[in-house]
Amino acid sequence: DADVTQTPRNRITKTGKRIMLECSQTKGHDRMYWYRQDPGLGLRLIYYSFDVKDINKGEISDGYSVSRQAQAKFSLSLESAIPNQTALYFCATSDPLRTEYGYTFGSGTRLTVV
Amino acid sequence: GQNIDQPTEMTATEGAIVQINCTYQTSGFNGLFWYQQHAGEAPTFLSYNVLDGLEEKGRFSSFLSRSKGYSYLLLKELQMKDSASYLCAPRGGTDKLIFGTGTRLQVFP
Repeated sequence: DADVTQTPRNRITKTGKRIMLECSQTKGHDRMYWYRQDPGLGLRLIYYSFDVKDINKGEISDGYSVSRQAQAKFSLSLESAIPNQTALYFCATSDPLRTEYGYTFGSGTRLTVV
Repeated sequence: GQNIDQPTEMTATEGAIVQINCTYQTSGFNGLFWYQQHAGEAPTFLSYNVLDGLEEKGRFSSFLSRSKGYSYLLLKELQMKDSASYLCAPRGGTDKLIFGTGTRLQVFP
């Protein structure tokens, strides 16, 4: 099993729909992150959480919300999806005690909003 | 402000050596990572530098100069499977990684 699992892997949804992307991890890491990746724009941080009671906005949080249900789970919601939220979404985790290992990424969710 | 600059695309021949440069400006600095990312897949960890100098790991090496805000990734004995994007990612003072747009490397036979 993967250390960081994202579901679904692919999703097509309609404009205005609410959608949730899920991320779970078995690494026991406290820190979790949500990024989106668009061609030519690199990875941009949406939200991050350093522990269960901690939620922080990243550089592009508008239109998104998150929930950290447990140490192992971090969900990203699009309250009312719009076409420019079509992107590849990655969840990542990190261990603050092993910073030299950087982030572990999930396999990504490809979201298309039509 | 925070800024990362690396070439958008590079090409090289199988068996050759290629150097991918990265310059960065961050608010605080706690090391620099290089990741490899094949199209449509997750980034995977390649290297980490926190002190100045060269870190070697098999065919891949990474160099850091903190005073110059500069790093490079050196790939030797290129193989076709090295065709991918390479992401330079310094860690800023808030302990989060900041990703550049990446360098897309194409290796030709």
